[in-house]
Amino acid sequence: DADVTQTPRNRITKTGKRIMLECSQTKGHDRMYWYRQDPGLGLRLIYYSFDVKDINKGEISDGYSVSRQAQAKFSLSLESAIPNQTALYFCATSDSRETGELFFGEGSRLTVL
Amino acid sequence: GQNIDQPTEMTATEGAIVQINCTYQTSGFNGLFWYQQHAGEAPTFLSYNVLDGLEEKGRFSSFLSRSKGYSYLLLKELQMKDSASYLCAVKDSNYQLIWGAGTKLIIKP
Repeated sequence: DADVTQTPRNRITKTGKRIMLECSQTKGHDRMYWYRQDPGLGLRLIYYSFDVKDINKGEISDGYSVSRQAQAKFSLSLESAIPNQTALYFCATSDSRETGELFFGEGSRLTVL
Repeated sequence: GQNIDQPTEMTATEGAIVQINCTYQTSGFNGLFWYQQHAGEAPTFLSYNVLDGLEEKGRFSSFLSRSKGYSYLLLKELQMKDSASYLCAVKDSNYQLIWGAGTKLIIKP
C-alpha cells in the first residue's frame, strides 16, 4: 500500500459543485502539502500545514480551502469548482527533522466541466 | 522574483549520457532537489544537494554550484525507462520549495 494515499484518483464534476480531495499518510510525517500541476507549468503550492493546528496559504490558494483533521490527514476543498481548476492535484508529506524531501501521493485528476 | 529555468525537452539515445541543466534565481538557498516524474505519475526523489560539488548515486549524478546558481543532473547508460520529466526544485530562504517546469526527456532506441 502507498505511504501517501489520495482519494479520489479521478473525478469529473460540473461548475459550481463542491469537491473534496482527501489525503492520508502512514509515514508519520508532521508536514503536509497540496500542489496542483498543469501542463507546461511547475508544481504550484496551494496550501501547506506544518502541524495539526497550522495552516498556511501557498502561492495559489484562492478558490481552495483545507483542513488538517489529524497529523495523518489533510483534505483540500473546492467550494465552488470552476473549469480552470481542472488539473492534477498532488498531496505530499515531509519530515521537519530531515532535508525537506517530499513524498508524493499518486495524484488526483480533477476535471471541471 | 524567484525563477528556476530548465530546458523544456531533451532527446537522447539509449545507452548514452545526458546532462539536464537547471539555473536558479531565488531569495536565499537552502538546498536543491531533483525529482523524476513519469507521465501521469507522482514525482519521486532522485537527489539532494546543499553543498557545492558532485553527488553520485548509481547511474545518476547531480552537481551544484551555488556561486553560479547552477545545477545539473547527469544520467549515464540511459535506459528506455528513463523517459520521464525531471524536475528541479530549490529550497529558498523561507525553506519553501520553488519548482522548475521540468524537462521532458525522450529516449530513443
